[in-house]
Amino acid sequence: GESVGLHLPTLSVQEGDNSIINCAYSNSASDYFIWYKQESGKGPQFIIDIRSNMDKRQGQRVTVLLNKTVKHLSLQIAATQPGDSAVYFCAENRVQGAQKLVFGQGTRLTINP
Amino acid sequence: DSGVTQTPKHLITATGQRVTLRCSPRSGDLSVYWYQQSLDQGLQFLIQYYNGEERAKGNILERFSAQQFPDLHSELNLSSLELGDSALYFCASSVEGDGTEAFFGQGTRLTVV
Repeated sequence: GESVGLHLPTLSVQEGDNSIINCAYSNSASDYFIWYKQESGKGPQFIIDIRSNMDKRQGQRVTVLLNKTVKHLSLQIAATQPGDSAVYFCAENRVQGAQKLVFGQGTRLTINP
Repeated sequence: DSGVTQTPKHLITATGQRVTLRCSPRSGDLSVYWYQQSLDQGLQFLIQYYNGEERAKGNILERFSAQQFPDLHSELNLSSLELGDSALYFCASSVEGDGTEAFFGQGTRLTVV
């Protein structure tokens, strides 16, 4: 079935390094994507979004890349900090069907000192 | 603070009981989404309302129901509770009903004993 999936369930990086979290989607009709950060015991926090008519969008220390050809989405976090430790979810906004925002399983990012 | 308020934060109840979870969307948001997150799982879409009307339905059990009131707050009713219903329940809101820029509340942790 159609789904949004993540390549790796866990990712460990050194503090100060850049992190790249990947996400694959299979619904070519999806027109909008969001990355969320979820810290333990908290609700998902909106990080950055991108529409399907774009292939790159930058925020503060974060960049989202969208490759529609291979249905791949990535979140790049520059100069990771301890506060970046969390689970990161990509979400796909499906234009068709009953579901709107469909979430992947998440990647746990751990920052090593 | 996302501006989405969920109450209560924690709820412990016995099997077979019924509970109501409440969500107040951000000011100006017309759409409310409900998600369930079980331990170490992603977010499963339950149901969406837009301006008082049901917009989309996901994998919501028949024992669960929801509504959105004229003041745009929403309630999720869970009845005949089972142990497996223990989870975090999140509400998100957005201005439009298309899933864009959806912001989440801090969730209600439901424990069924």
